[in-house]
Amino acid sequence: DAGITQSPRHKVTETGTPVTLRCHQTENHRYMYWYRQDPGHGLRLIHYSYGVKDTDKGEVSDGYSVSRSKTEDFLLTLESATSSQTSVYFCAISDPGLANYEQYFGPGTRLTVT
Amino acid sequence: DQQVKQNSPSLSVQEGRISILNCDYTNSMFDYFLWYKKYPAEGPTFLISISSIKDKNEDGRFTVFLNKSAKHLSLHIVPSQPGDSAVYFCAASFASGTYKYIFGTGTRLKVLA
Repeated sequence: DAGITQSPRHKVTETGTPVTLRCHQTENHRYMYWYRQDPGHGLRLIHYSYGVKDTDKGEVSDGYSVSRSKTEDFLLTLESATSSQTSVYFCAISDPGLANYEQYFGPGTRLTVT
Repeated sequence: DQQVKQNSPSLSVQEGRISILNCDYTNSMFDYFLWYKKYPAEGPTFLISISSIKDKNEDGRFTVFLNKSAKHLSLHIVPSQPGDSAVYFCAASFASGTYKYIFGTGTRLKVLA
């Protein structure tokens, strides 16, 4: 299994508060991603990174920011959490060296915004 | 606008029979496709992939077929086992070098013992 951890695994927060989710990898993979999974929508890309300090938006980036100051860590910040951001968040990693161009996913963080 | 669609939200199959999961896409520029399996409370795990230059790829009990003219791919699981019960996602990429994928909404497979 790819060495990907996400923290926290569960979080309940109130509307309007900032929240930061952390993804940590031990694989030294170049690419890192944040997705959210919601019923009826599958997995939707929020932001991704193609190197340290190199990030770009995905399809549902509004209300989210990211930072990657080290290869191994990719942080997702909800600047002011809203109830619509209640979801399961997955981090994923990938690398040009992988034969199938696949992404490896972390275990997920369940976030509830009340 | 859903570029990758899995129109069957769920599927039930008897153990030992074939499971066929379908995926349709709208953009003919997609050139690499992946299938993932997801168990509850876990992250998705990679199953099998196919490039647009092929029409079939096999890995053990799993085979993926690609029909570019129909913009359709399918995952066949033979024989199906109870441990295959999970949600299956297909994903498509515009170019294999970008490592960015668009995922379908998933199909929940239940294999009945």
